[in-house]
Amino acid sequence: NAGVTQTPKFRVLKTGQSMTLLCAQDMNHEYMYWYRQDPGMGLRLIHYSVGEGTTAKGEVPDGYNVSRLKKQNFLLGLESAAPSQTSVYFCASRTDAVLPIQYFGAGTRLSVL
Amino acid sequence: DQQVKQNSPSLSVQEGRISILNCDYTNSMFDYFLWYKKYPAEGPTFLISISSIKDKNEDGRFTVFLNKSAKHLSLHIVPSQPGDSAVYFCAARNNAGNMLTFGGGTRLMVKP
Repeated sequence: NAGVTQTPKFRVLKTGQSMTLLCAQDMNHEYMYWYRQDPGMGLRLIHYSVGEGTTAKGEVPDGYNVSRLKKQNFLLGLESAAPSQTSVYFCASRTDAVLPIQYFGAGTRLSVL
Repeated sequence: DQQVKQNSPSLSVQEGRISILNCDYTNSMFDYFLWYKKYPAEGPTFLISISSIKDKNEDGRFTVFLNKSAKHLSLHIVPSQPGDSAVYFCAARNNAGNMLTFGGGTRLMVKP
């Protein structure tokens, strides 16, 4: 019962480096989301997808790109990392049913030096 | 402009007593509200929800109350247990979209 799996769990980058965070879900969910969590600010939506091949901007999309080539995977890319992107990143997914319950992965802790 | 606010960053209660976590919102278009619980180094997990057409929803020790006129919801935990110690987030859905808007979270500490 994997649910939502995020890879990697931890990463340290230097300013200007790039990386991709992978989110995989095995629940056949249509919707997938990327959030960042910063102290006192709760979870803020970066990008989301309502189905394979679709993506949309959330509240804080600048500096990030996403792709949803396969239904089960949602990738978050940082092309040129900045210290302001130091955060904990969470991926979530949900069905297209009426109830908007999202299921979260365990998170990726990213530090940009 | 934070549309969902949790004004208490932390709350400490004694085991066995009631914990009350509060959440205020500004957007009258929110139609569904959820509470999530988060332990350190884990992702948030869904706890309980309520539709805007209701004013109360109960699940075991957890009850959520919604006051639409005040744009306020609260989560009651009775009786509180040490295992309830976690960060609690309230979230709201805009009926026009597929997104949730989260509050900043309240850290609950239940002392034995």
